[in-house]
Amino acid sequence: KAGVTQTPRYLIKTRGQQVTLSCSPISGHRSVSWYQQTPGQGLQFLFEYFSETQRNKGNFPGRFSGRQFSNSRSEMNVSTLELGDSALYLCASSLSQPGETQYFGPGTRLLVL
Amino acid sequence: AQSVSQHNHHVILSEAASLELGCNYSYGGTVNLFWYVQYPGQHLQLLLKYFSGDPLVKGIKGFEAEFIKSKFSFNLRKPSVQWSDTAEYFCAVNARTGNQFYFGTGTSLTVIP
Repeated sequence: KAGVTQTPRYLIKTRGQQVTLSCSPISGHRSVSWYQQTPGQGLQFLFEYFSETQRNKGNFPGRFSGRQFSNSRSEMNVSTLELGDSALYLCASSLSQPGETQYFGPGTRLLVL
Repeated sequence: AQSVSQHNHHVILSEAASLELGCNYSYGGTVNLFWYVQYPGQHLQLLLKYFSGDPLVKGIKGFEAEFIKSKFSFNLRKPSVQWSDTAEYFCAVNARTGNQFYFGTGTSLTVIP
């Protein structure tokens, strides 16, 4: 089986712009979670989607949003980018039940200038 | 809210030394526990997991972890490390009632040949 794929792998944006990141889960996985990884902070949970609905949400501002499509692919959007949004954004997929193992993609590295 | 603490931020060992990385979590309910590893330039990979049963779990590459419920701990061990174990290690906790994973801030392990 192919693993979790994320596009693009690298992005450079300027403050105030918006960005959309894409994630394709492992075939058969219906849950997709997004994380922000920064040095010293580790991984911080953004949100989780299941069956096109947001099932869980972390403590990030409303500038961070996401959606999931009927084929389980997911997108994450960040509007009005700030310098502090520079990070590695990771997507993870899992089967449908809560608590199951999450499998991670390679991430999208976002640099905000 | 749940939290995960990894007390060792940076560990440097010589090859063949024994390794123990600490992980403590705060949550009163039933949890699933995970250790993930991120090798340089690679994405997060599952090292091992505990859902139930024998509290001593074995993972890939000779790693093992012990769940001690009374101490809310899930420490990672390896009797003899190799240079190829140089990586960042993340402990994660997931409450079985939800699908939000909580990660520790990670431990950077450097193994000197």
